[in-house]
Amino acid sequence: DIRMTQSPSSVSASVGDRVTITCRASQDIRTSLGWYQQKSGKAPNLVIYSASTLESGVPSRFSGSGYGTDFTLTISSLQAEDVASYYCQQTDSLPLSFGGGTKVEIQ
Amino acid sequence: EVQLLESGGGLAQPGGSLRLSCETSGFNFKTYAMSWVRQAPGKGLEWVSAIDNIDGHGTHYADSVRGRFTISRDNVRNTLYLQMSSLRVDDTAVYYCVRPRSSVPYTRYFDSWGQGTHVTVSS
Repeated sequence: DIRMTQSPSSVSASVGDRVTITCRASQDIRTSLGWYQQKSGKAPNLVIYSASTLESGVPSRFSGSGYGTDFTLTISSLQAEDVASYYCQQTDSLPLSFGGGTKVEIQ
Repeated sequence: EVQLLESGGGLAQPGGSLRLSCETSGFNFKTYAMSWVRQAPGKGLEWVSAIDNIDGHGTHYADSVRGRFTISRDNVRNTLYLQMSSLRVDDTAVYYCVRPRSSVPYTRYFDSWGQGTHVTVSS
């Protein structure tokens, strides 16, 4: 089974700051990586798929990169509405697996 | 508009059973593989189970639920099910019905989520 490890577990930043979240897979998953945003009390929303493709309707300040085992989600200019938990997910093989999550807060 | 509406959650005793349902609308249900994802209180996301499209003969499970949970679908009623048996305290979670962003086989990025149904397993 593929294990996904996210870091940091939480980050606090100011509005307008650049925020980067990393996700590491326990084995090569090529670009089979998605990112989800989950706001408090809500279901998750898909933000990025195939490591770097922005889901329709998602603001362009979100971007993803990486290949193989190391991936990043970047918020180029943090906004108040970006406060949420973010999860990576590998889709390379079953069982599907998620990272432990990163909580993003405003400083 | 894609809609996924879960029901069937509630309180169950350890060793008991529950059946979750997910009524869908707004898309051609039979052409999509479907999954269940759960989230324990204050915890992260965990994929639970998936079922292939059309005939639904292909089913897949997380190790944590294999042998206790059964996923199924009714392509006439456009409904997804999760039969949960031999429930354990650590099955307590919000259970989400999820649809992948494409009906292309092996697409496993989930762009549509239900509101979730709460399952509590406690004596």
